[in-house]
Amino acid sequence: GAVVSQHPSRVICKSGTSVKIECRSLDFQATTMFWYRQFPKQSLMLMATSNEGSKATYEQGVEKDKFLINHASLTLSTLTVTSAHPEDSSFYICSASEGLPWATQYFGPGTRLTVL
Amino acid sequence: GQQLNQSPQSMFIQEGEDVSMNCTSSSIFNTWLWYKQDPGEGPVLLIALYKAGELTSNGRLTAQFGITRKDSFLNISASIPSDVGIYFCAASALQGAQKLVFGQGTRLTINP
Repeated sequence: GAVVSQHPSRVICKSGTSVKIECRSLDFQATTMFWYRQFPKQSLMLMATSNEGSKATYEQGVEKDKFLINHASLTLSTLTVTSAHPEDSSFYICSASEGLPWATQYFGPGTRLTVL
Repeated sequence: GQQLNQSPQSMFIQEGEDVSMNCTSSSIFNTWLWYKQDPGEGPVLLIALYKAGELTSNGRLTAQFGITRKDSFLNISASIPSDVGIYFCAASALQGAQKLVFGQGTRLTINP
């Protein structure tokens, strides 16, 4: 099956710093990538949708200036959490899709962000 | 907004028992998916359903896309210890798995 990787798997940072998370599709071209956030014992909440070469579409309530998304190639999308604060601590998960009709989403293993 | 109501929230069963969980919504969806998530991991796709009424199996797992397009169920037969985890339904109003809405999850615990 399709493989999606994320890096890093865990990151601890100080409040006020920025953190970049990478999402890669390893064996297929991901026209569309999605970023989710999951708080403990809760479901996944979609943050934004990004299509290769264009600006990301953010869900209501997600600050686009705080969560910068870049989808520069068909195999790589990055999420940068700028000026991170403790409330940004969460499990961030990306998924990737070939973007075709009937194409499904394959998820990465997630990145655990802890902001001190 | 669109919401998926997933039930039950948790299940405690004996090894070997069958499991059934479902998701319902007041909205119509064109794609239903079932994922399993282990602690600290991303969700893994179990079954994808693209047509109303579709019944699909994947080993001991069977899922159906409700005829009204507002619901779906997942059954697991003869549960084994590695079935432990959180199961999520997800749905998209679009054709294909674009912009998914997730259910709240069903936490499955198995007593050996």
